[in-house]
Amino acid sequence: AQKITQTQPGMFVQEKEAVTLDCTYDTSDPSYGLFWYKQPSSGEMIFLIYQGSYDQQNATEGRYSLNFQKARKSANLVISASQLGDSAMYFCAMREVNTGNQFYFGTGTSLTVIP
Amino acid sequence: NAGVMQNPRHLVRRRGQEARLRCSPMKGHSHVYWYRQLPEEGLKFMVYLQKENIIDESGMPKERFSAEFPKEGPSILRIQQVVRGDSAAYFCASSQGISNQPQHFGDGTRLSIL
Repeated sequence: AQKITQTQPGMFVQEKEAVTLDCTYDTSDPSYGLFWYKQPSSGEMIFLIYQGSYDQQNATEGRYSLNFQKARKSANLVISASQLGDSAMYFCAMREVNTGNQFYFGTGTSLTVIP
Repeated sequence: NAGVMQNPRHLVRRRGQEARLRCSPMKGHSHVYWYRQLPEEGLKFMVYLQKENIIDESGMPKERFSAEFPKEGPSILRIQQVVRGDSAAYFCASSQGISNQPQHFGDGTRLSIL
């Protein structure tokens, strides 16, 4: 079974609108971390936001927020007030605490912001 | 600002040659991960190392590929007798051994096989 599933290969959003990128995960470890990364066309991987499995509140970092629904095992990324510079690939990742610090990545979602 | 340093940024090899990719983790990081990314695809995990130890190499091809992270010096991903299919971007990431800490990525090495 896939550890991380991103079901949206491509998404479009109008500039200044909000967009949600989906991520579901699969783990039996009660202790884990969830991460989102951005990869622009220049190729580097940029860390955006982190959510711990025991965190009570959804993580926020500027225009990024993580909609964490533990029972559904989903960790969707919400980008508010989209900007042209947000056009990139977005990867969801998970780290299981009790199984050796391995990271698992999804296949990514390509986001295009339309002016 | 000493982030994860990968070199070279671009590497061109002919079929049958060896490719050596280097990665110096962030200061204070003892965990190193290597990933391969084909065009228009996601990251494929290859290997996870700590100093002098391979922790998980389940994503490494069984032949021609090896990795090390010596006590001193950078981590090395080595590809022997390269073939066209090895052309890809190879990313190194490092982290602390703390669960809530993200991996920090280098800028990658773009390997092209002629």
